[in-house]
Amino acid sequence: DVKVTQSSRYLVKRTGEKVFLECVQDMDHENMFWYRQDPGLGLRLIYFSYDVKMKEKGDIPEGYSVSREKKERFSLILESASTNQTSMYLCASSLRWGNEQYFGPGTRLTVT
Amino acid sequence: EDKVVQSPLSLVVHEGDTVTLNCSYEVTNFRSLLWYKQEKKAPTFLFMLTSSGIEKKSGRLSSILDKKELSSILNITATQTGDSAIYLCAVNNAGGTSYGKLTFGQGTILTVHP
Repeated sequence: DVKVTQSSRYLVKRTGEKVFLECVQDMDHENMFWYRQDPGLGLRLIYFSYDVKMKEKGDIPEGYSVSREKKERFSLILESASTNQTSMYLCASSLRWGNEQYFGPGTRLTVT
Repeated sequence: EDKVVQSPLSLVVHEGDTVTLNCSYEVTNFRSLLWYKQEKKAPTFLFMLTSSGIEKKSGRLSSILDKKELSSILNITATQTGDSAIYLCAVNNAGGTSYGKLTFGQGTILTVHP
């Protein structure tokens, strides 16, 4: 079974703080993704990575950066958290392009 | 810009009812359409439909892809309370700068009452 884990289920941070969200997958998948999920908007892609040290912007990258130093780990960084980044963050991985993506349990981030 | 629209946005039914969820899409170079079920945690994969596999079935769930109408439906027969979830539709684009990315719809919130 594919397993995608995320470092925290719930996180509360203050405006202006730097925030790290970690994601680890254990199936040697090539591709990893970060989404945010907001009511009425569905899942929106923030960044994705198709190889170690490679990253591509998704649809809403502003205010975020990512890091992929190892194949199994993909980190999402909020350089200076703002209240409009309060959301559910979901990490996903897929073996190859076009394959189904497997999701982690999500991190509910609240920025106050 | 790729676009995926689901309807209805929410649905309330009673156990035993049959439901049909809709997903329509506009993408530049269609590769596949995926359905996911999301309860209180990670979305879990249900089906993937492609040009070579336009109909899938698993137990009480089934899905059909209509490439002419650029849409898909997800049917759930004899619904149970455990079917209560958000159902997500996503489309995989095969070309251009969107290659390999999934574009998701807003989701349909299904509530099944006993």
